[in-house]
Amino acid sequence: NAGVTQTPKFHILKTGQSMTLQCAQDMNHGYMSWYRQDPGMGLRLIYYSAAAGTTDKEVPNGYNVSRLNTEDFPLRLVSAAPSQTSVYLCASRPFLRWGYTFGSGTRLTVV
Amino acid sequence: RKEVEQDPGPFNVPEGATVAFNCTYSNSASQSFFWYRQDCRKEPKLLMSVYSSGNEDGRFTAQLNRASQYISLLIRDSKLSDSATYLCVVNSRTGNQFYFGTGTSLTVIP
Repeated sequence: NAGVTQTPKFHILKTGQSMTLQCAQDMNHGYMSWYRQDPGMGLRLIYYSAAAGTTDKEVPNGYNVSRLNTEDFPLRLVSAAPSQTSVYLCASRPFLRWGYTFGSGTRLTVV
Repeated sequence: RKEVEQDPGPFNVPEGATVAFNCTYSNSASQSFFWYRQDCRKEPKLLMSVYSSGNEDGRFTAQLNRASQYISLLIRDSKLSDSATYLCVVNSRTGNQFYFGTGTSLTVIP
């Protein structure tokens, strides 16, 4: 199993551009989440999905997700802003009270 | 109020020392608790779950105090390889979302 795979690993985006961060897991996990991690802020939950076809937004604006199948959970930045410069971490888990497995992250810089 | 709060440290301890971290949480309905380890510029990795009765995994012991709403992690006989940031995690009121603390930095010194 590859686990949780995120692409790209690094990217520089211009303000106003859009971009999709890819996340895929091959463990048949139902639960998936996107977090962003900034220095001194810890991990902040952006979006959450309990199963294919369902998503729940944790923070407003600037991001969209889709969960068309169990494996993929892409995160779209609609119109990038410098405040979205961060490390984005995708994670999945099999059961409600199970721990998350994380991907290696995408380091995104918006200039 | 933050869902989860941790002392950021840093904790600098000599090899062989015992060190303990605490983490407080605000939601009394939380049911799931974890400790994660994160190395510099790497993703967090699950260290251990925290069970109501407390649990141990080798040199690591996790405790839960529901009355005071905190969890703890004890590391005995610290190794250089234990140097990392330790994150505590609790779940939300609904049980679906997990919230992470900001992490406690540990450096084990030779």
